[in-house]
Amino acid sequence: EIVLTQSPGTLSLSPGERATLSCRASQSVSSSYLHWYQQKPGQAPRLLIYGASSRATGIPDRFSGSGSGTDFTLTISRLEPEDFAVYYCQQYDSSPRTFGGGTKVEIK
Amino acid sequence: EVQVVESGGGLVQPGGSLRLSCAASGFTFSSYVMSWVRQAPGKGLEWVSTISTAGGSTYYADSVRGRFTISRDNSENTLYLQMNSLRAEDSAVYYCAKSGGGIVGAVLDFFDYWGQGSLVTVSS
Repeated sequence: EIVLTQSPGTLSLSPGERATLSCRASQSVSSSYLHWYQQKPGQAPRLLIYGASSRATGIPDRFSGSGSGTDFTLTISRLEPEDFAVYYCQQYDSSPRTFGGGTKVEIK
Repeated sequence: EVQVVESGGGLVQPGGSLRLSCAASGFTFSSYVMSWVRQAPGKGLEWVSTISTAGGSTYYADSVRGRFTISRDNSENTLYLQMNSLRAEDSAVYYCAKSGGGIVGAVLDFFDYWGQGSLVTVSS
């Protein structure tokens, strides 16, 4: 099973700042099979990025994804108030599908 | 507009059974892989099960294999999760999730739409 480790666990930032979230895999993951989701309190997760770097429908361009192999990054260029949430990475390069433990982006 | 709406959650005793349903609309249900993902209170996301478009192939997490059964009725645009021998550790919000494509494991097989979830509590 591929274990995804997200860091940091919590990121305390102010609106307008840049957020950099990391997702590290225990073994190599094809970038086509690495995805990112956003979850706000009391809500369902929402797809942000698929295939490591492609934005889902309706996702603003301040969100970007990058990476390959075992190291992937989600970047939010300038935090808006609605971006404070928990972010999860997920892979299905090999079974079973696994999620990272999440990074909480909170208001500083 | 794509919508997936779960129902059937509730309180059940350990060892009991429950069946979740997920009603889909706004897309051609029979053309997409569907899944269940759960989230225990205050915890992260855990994939539970996936079913192919025609229902002929099913996939399970080790934690539920042999106890849970995923199925779908393409004529009714509905996904199901039959949960038997429930344990306290199965307590969670269960989300129905649509895949971006119609082939399990293909590049479009990510979760592009999620329902609001159905809470399952296993407790005596």
